[in-house]
Amino acid sequence: QVTLKESGPGILQPSQTLSLTCTFSGFSLSTYGMGVGWIRQPSGKGLEWLANIWWDDDKYYNPSLKNRLTISKDTSNNQAFLKITNVDTADTATYYCARIVDYYVMDAWGQGASVTVSS
Amino acid sequence: DVVLTQTPSTLSATIGQSVSISCRSSQSLLDSAGNTYLYWYLQRPGQSPQLLIYLVSNLGSGVPNRFSGSGSGTDFTLKISGVEAEDLGVYYCMQATHALTFGSGTKLEIK
Repeated sequence: QVTLKESGPGILQPSQTLSLTCTFSGFSLSTYGMGVGWIRQPSGKGLEWLANIWWDDDKYYNPSLKNRLTISKDTSNNQAFLKITNVDTADTATYYCARIVDYYVMDAWGQGASVTVSS
Repeated sequence: DVVLTQTPSTLSATIGQSVSISCRSSQSLLDSAGNTYLYWYLQRPGQSPQLLIYLVSNLGSGVPNRFSGSGSGTDFTLKISGVEAEDLGVYYCMQATHALTFGSGTKLEIK
């Protein structure tokens, strides 16, 4: 059974760096073709893709946010990470991680982690 | 950036009714290898998104066959043949041919 769970600080202040962790089970990020993606959703709004990381450590970022994002992984501990620098209130959202399999299919999603940016 | 425009933004249906949702892309989603990376997801109230359709018309694992996808190039459609109560939620199309973007969503309400 594939499961993913996001964790984060809950609340942080503008200009700080947001660090998110995706802890997963039921698959390995060292398996050929496997990936993990990060997607966020402001309350009541739509989905925004942020970044993907692949089994071979290849990384892809949303071009509009690329200079603020860093994605990484710890294969041995089944975790993926996302850092967003210099946050502001527009980064307030629920952040999801998802497994990516063949053909970029996001076939399993975490429950989401709520992040609020507020002074 | 590729923009995906979904219509309608809200849809109201009775149980058993068939409905369609359109997703129109600002660029062709056909890549040089002949693949079209267009997907459909459903987000039920209070839940995470779940995969319905991948590569335009392939049903995700465990997805009921009342869901079907079609289209090519820039125009795509999700059809639900016989809406059931559990189908309520927001439907998103997503493309992964040119980076990755989501449509703005279509909310399905049950009358």
